[in-house]
Amino acid sequence: KAGVTQTPRYLIKTRGQQVTLSCSPISGHRSVSWYQQTPGQGLQFLFEYFSETQRNKGNFPGRFSGRQFSNSRSEMNVSTLELGDSALYLCASRSTSGPLETQYFGPGTRLLVL
Amino acid sequence: AQTVTQSQPEMSVQEAETVTLSCTYDTSESDYYLFWYKQPPSRQMILVIRQEAYKQQNATENRFSVNFQKAAKSFSLKISDSQLGDAAMYFCAYRGLNSGNTPLVFGKGTRLSVIA
Repeated sequence: KAGVTQTPRYLIKTRGQQVTLSCSPISGHRSVSWYQQTPGQGLQFLFEYFSETQRNKGNFPGRFSGRQFSNSRSEMNVSTLELGDSALYLCASRSTSGPLETQYFGPGTRLLVL
Repeated sequence: AQTVTQSQPEMSVQEAETVTLSCTYDTSESDYYLFWYKQPPSRQMILVIRQEAYKQQNATENRFSVNFQKAAKSFSLKISDSQLGDAAMYFCAYRGLNSGNTPLVFGKGTRLSVIA
């Protein structure tokens, strides 16, 4: 099976702009989660989507939003970018059947906000 | 809230030797999974090993094994016959099962260097 894919891999934006990141999960996986990774805060959970519905949300401002499509692909959007949004954004997909519900990660999108 | 603590920010090991990375966690849940992920310089998070809390037997995957001590809430990773390709950041992660759909909670990570 193909792994989790994320596009784009690298992105440079300026403060105040908005950005959309995309994630395609492993075939058959219906759950997609997003994480932000920074040197200072480590890995922090943003949100999880399952069957086009947000199931869980981390402690991030409303500028961070996401959605999931019927084919399980997911997008996350960050509006009014701030310098502190510079981070590696990781997407993970998970099979929700079977005893071992393990998240498999994509390669990440590195966002730099200038 | 659940927390995961990795007390060793950096570790080093000689090639072919054995190294143990520490992880402790705090939870009041009885059912959960524990994971070790590896993040090499490419930044791709790779699953190394996983452990279900209800299983007393420690998980093993080739050169990787864990020492799971549920009462002590400890979950250490042992890497045997270390190889240069093992150099990476290693993250311990927890996922609870008692409270519905909970996300992974990660430790801060341990940077492992392998010396040739």
